[in-house]
Amino acid sequence: GAVVSQHPSWVICKSGTSVKIECRSLDFQATTMFWYRQFPKQSLMLMATSNEGSKATYEQGVEKDKFLINHASLTLSTLTVTSAHPEDSSFYICSARAGQENSPLHFGNGTRLTVT
Amino acid sequence: GQNIDQPTEMTATEGAIVQINCTYQTSGFNGLFWYQQHAGEAPTFLSYNVLDGLEEKGRFSSFLSRSKGYSYLLLKELQMKDSASYLCAVIDSNYQLIWGAGTKLIIKP
Repeated sequence: GAVVSQHPSWVICKSGTSVKIECRSLDFQATTMFWYRQFPKQSLMLMATSNEGSKATYEQGVEKDKFLINHASLTLSTLTVTSAHPEDSSFYICSARAGQENSPLHFGNGTRLTVT
Repeated sequence: GQNIDQPTEMTATEGAIVQINCTYQTSGFNGLFWYQQHAGEAPTFLSYNVLDGLEEKGRFSSFLSRSKGYSYLLLKELQMKDSASYLCAVIDSNYQLIWGAGTKLIIKP
């Protein structure tokens, strides 16, 4: 149980275009989902907390107008990277908890974004 | 500030035992996780400790001492597939998850 599906697994896009990444909890409801970014050989960096039915909470330094998050239902959150630039190339990973706040995060398989 | 320390890299031999340490200073404590992350993949959950002591799960065990702000992940009978990064993460008093930078474990034959 507690499966998180993330799509696409990888995407290559041209500079200036937008990319949407989907994150779904397949067998549980997630009122909260988390979006992380990870650069090569670095640790996970929390970008934002996605809340179902309300605005996302962004971490300091993360541009909310660039990284649009929509948590439309209890099983789906999307991250849209708008006007992507090469420096946005990274590994984006979503996660969710299947239970209480001290229950483990379950991660999607991640999306490798390359902006050319 | 909040801080989690773990070694950057460790090397061990196939079939041996390795212990990966994690020390933390956080505002409150509501549990500690260990995750495994293979290169290019997302993290996968290994263990959760909230009380002092040792939790054993197959070849992997995790230990916690809350008074010392210390945990370790013990991997026995190492296999080549155990080559990965191991991430320590602590839940603070606000239920925020604080991540360590990870320990890259290299297994040699």
